[in-house]
Amino acid sequence: DVKVTQSSRYLVKRTGEKVFLECVQDMDHENMFWYRQDPGLGLRLIYFSYDVKMKEKGDIPEGYSVSREKKERFSLILESASTNQTSMYLCASSYDRGTEAFFGQGTRLTVV
Amino acid sequence: GENVEQHPSTLSVQEGDSAVIKCTYSDSASNYFPWYKQELGKGPQLIIDIRSNVGEKKDQRIAVTLNKTAKHFSLHITETQPEDSAVYFCAASTSDYKLSFGAGTTVTVRA
Repeated sequence: DVKVTQSSRYLVKRTGEKVFLECVQDMDHENMFWYRQDPGLGLRLIYFSYDVKMKEKGDIPEGYSVSREKKERFSLILESASTNQTSMYLCASSYDRGTEAFFGQGTRLTVV
Repeated sequence: GENVEQHPSTLSVQEGDSAVIKCTYSDSASNYFPWYKQELGKGPQLIIDIRSNVGEKKDQRIAVTLNKTAKHFSLHITETQPEDSAVYFCAASTSDYKLSFGAGTTVTVRA
């Protein structure tokens, strides 16, 4: 079974902190994604990566950055957390374009 | 960019009845349309998908239909069961890597 693992289920951080969300997949997938899920807004793409060290902005990249140093690991970074970044964050991976995306269980981030 | 609209936002059905969720998309170049189910406390999981060269696809109690001319696609769940209660998301993708998701439909199956 494909497994996408996010390092934390719940996180509470203070405004202004630098926050790292980690994601690891074990199926040698080329593509990895970070989404943000908010009620009534669905899933919105923050960043994605189609290869090691490659990254592309999604629909809502402001206030976020990413890092992909190894194929299996994709990190989302909040440089200076703000309260409007309180949300559920979902990592996903896929083998190729137009193929099934496998999601992690999500990280519920609260910024206070 | 692609805009996907999903209706209804909530749906309550009696066990055994059918449920239908509808989505529209804006980019006529979209060619891949997956549906995801998200249970409480879990990440979304693919339940069925359809490509633009197919009009309908079935898998047991679930089916998806696609109308490319009207740019809409629908999920049909027949003989609903309590375990069908979840949030369902439609999505659309062109030939790039990005999936654009609808806002989600919370389905409740009443016993």
